[in-house]
Amino acid sequence: QVQLVESGGGVVQPGKSLRLSCAASGFTFSNYGMHWVRQAPGKGLEWMAVIAYDGGNKYYTDSVQGRFTISRDNSNSTLFLQMNSLRPEDTAVYYCAKSHSTTWYGLDYFDLWGQGSLVTVSS
Amino acid sequence: EIVLTQSPATLSLSPGERATLSCRASQSIYNYLAWYQQKPGQAPRLLLYDASNRATGIPARFSGSGSGTAFTLTISNLEPEDFGIYYCQQRSSRPLTFGGGTKVEIK
Repeated sequence: QVQLVESGGGVVQPGKSLRLSCAASGFTFSNYGMHWVRQAPGKGLEWMAVIAYDGGNKYYTDSVQGRFTISRDNSNSTLFLQMNSLRPEDTAVYYCAKSHSTTWYGLDYFDLWGQGSLVTVSS
Repeated sequence: EIVLTQSPATLSLSPGERATLSCRASQSIYNYLAWYQQKPGQAPRLLLYDASNRATGIPARFSGSGSGTAFTLTISNLEPEDFGIYYCQQRSSRPLTFGGGTKVEIK
């Protein structure tokens, strides 16, 4: 079954850290760039980060650059997002998403999404 | 950063009617635009990519057009399952950005 399953969300205090995981199955994970996209409660979608199929290139949106780190383990078909120095405005559902194309530009659409993992940053 | 502006914010229609949704980019994005559908409590679903190509399994009643800065998603003959929020997204440059969404609701 082709799917992405996120885990690791929860409630965390401001300034603390959290790591999200995304387990992929049903497709050749190592062939595709992977992304994290978030959605604050009642709001729209915001792209966070992308990692190349081999982990060699990574790009971030400015608001998380230096605080969040995207990584992957192709041997276990798993994507990660390490989130440090969390802020209340980071509260959102975090989705992992698969690149639509195998061609690496770091610019792509998202043709497979996980169910989302809720991260709440609050004291 | 490329800003995508969607209109209208809300579209109230009846099943069987045609929906026309607009997405405008702050600068040319060629045809590098996708459309997604999101229902409450669910992840988005890719409908169209490169402005007019339907994703796998998407019915023919969904069609897209446009290039440069102006794009349109048309849903002909609305079905009950088509109600939800629609987002456009550009892949012309980083950061990848989404429009604010258009809610298609039952009239």
